[in-house]
Amino acid sequence: QKEVEQNSGPLSVPEGAIASLNCTYSDRGSQSFFWYRQYSGKSPELIMFIYSNGDKEDGRFTAQLNKASQYVSLLIRDSQPSDSATYLCAVNPGGSQGNLIFGKGTKLSVKP
Amino acid sequence: DAGVIQSPRHEVTEMGQEVTLRCKPISGHNSLFWYRQTMMRGLELLIYFNNNVPIDDSGMPEDRFSAKMPNASFSTLKIQPSEPRDSAVYFCASSSGIGNTIYFGEGSWLTVV
Repeated sequence: QKEVEQNSGPLSVPEGAIASLNCTYSDRGSQSFFWYRQYSGKSPELIMFIYSNGDKEDGRFTAQLNKASQYVSLLIRDSQPSDSATYLCAVNPGGSQGNLIFGKGTKLSVKP
Repeated sequence: DAGVIQSPRHEVTEMGQEVTLRCKPISGHNSLFWYRQTMMRGLELLIYFNNNVPIDDSGMPEDRFSAKMPNASFSTLKIQPSEPRDSAVYFCASSSGIGNTIYFGEGSWLTVV
């Protein structure tokens, strides 16, 4: 059973702080990794994807991937109340599989 | 450019009734996915199609669920007969290929009473 694990939270950070969201996955053959944000009552929307080991930055967001440790994280700098949402980690199993396996998400709350 | 379009957005039905959810993927995308989301189980893949062909339906809960994709621009997910435990948000999503970003529709919120 291929699994993606996330701490359900809630993770509470003050406005302006760095929020760190973590995810581990079980399938060592996984090829690509995604972070989605989901506001309450809405559909998941893509924030970032990462394929290679290391860091990838996009504005206030940084995704980090360590395939040896089967670990992927998302850092949100200068957190804003509008960042309050559930963050879903998703993993593509690789090979001929086109689907994504999702973690259950971490709920982030940014306090003004 | 239009995103993934789902209908109905909300449906309340009685146990035992047939439910049909509809989806139009993003134009040009050749992979289509049906996911179900509940508080307990999170987002679960039910089935996905590649070039209109079902590739993996191992997530379909049981014979009450069926999905079709008669052409590249339309898919349905049918539940017959529906049960209260089927209450969930059903998301359709599409992508342009294996390993590429999956884009979600707004979901169909199903309540079976």
